[in-house]
Amino acid sequence: GAVVSQHPSWVICKSGTSVKIECRSLDFQATTMFWYRQFPKQSLMLMATSNEGSKATYEQGVEKDKFLINHASLTLSTLTVTSAHPEDSSFYICSAQGGIPSPVNEQFFGPGTRLTVL
Amino acid sequence: QKEVEQDPGPLSVPEGAIVSLNCTYSNSAFQYFMWYRQYSRKGPELLMYTYSSGNKEDGRFTAQVDKSSKYISLFIRDSQPSDSATYLCAMASQYSSASKIIFGSGTRLSIRP
Repeated sequence: GAVVSQHPSWVICKSGTSVKIECRSLDFQATTMFWYRQFPKQSLMLMATSNEGSKATYEQGVEKDKFLINHASLTLSTLTVTSAHPEDSSFYICSAQGGIPSPVNEQFFGPGTRLTVL
Repeated sequence: QKEVEQDPGPLSVPEGAIVSLNCTYSNSAFQYFMWYRQYSRKGPELLMYTYSSGNKEDGRFTAQVDKSSKYISLFIRDSQPSDSATYLCAMASQYSSASKIIFGSGTRLSIRP
């Protein structure tokens, strides 16, 4: 099946620093990657959609200058949380879509990255 | 009002019981209905999807959609401890990257041995 990895799986950082999270599709080429945020006991909230080689489309209310997304290749997308603050602490999950024959255009999710900002 | 409402639980049932998980929604444009399973500290995994109304069965799992009532259900028969996880319903108006998937908040399910 399709495998999506994320690195790191967890990170603790000081307020004001920037953190980069990588999302990789390991065995297929992802034309589209999605970044979600999930607070405890809450649903996944879509932050942005990115297509390889083009600018990401951000959801309303998501600051594009704070959450920088780069989708440099068909297997790698990165999310950089700039000048992180404690309210940015959350579980960040990516998903990848495309390149796999499927009756539905399934999104394959990574294992998530838990970010804690002190 | 949220587009998708799901009881967060937790729901605890004995092994072997039939489990019923439900979601309601408000957007009549939704055509694709999905159920994801998420284990602790892991990403969601697609369990089942259905298009429009009706039932779909896959092993011990049955998904039901009632578009007239804007209500979807997931039934798990002969529940096992390994079924313990958070189950998220999800919906989309199209199944393409152009259409956002809207997730419910998830129901935490625990199967007691």
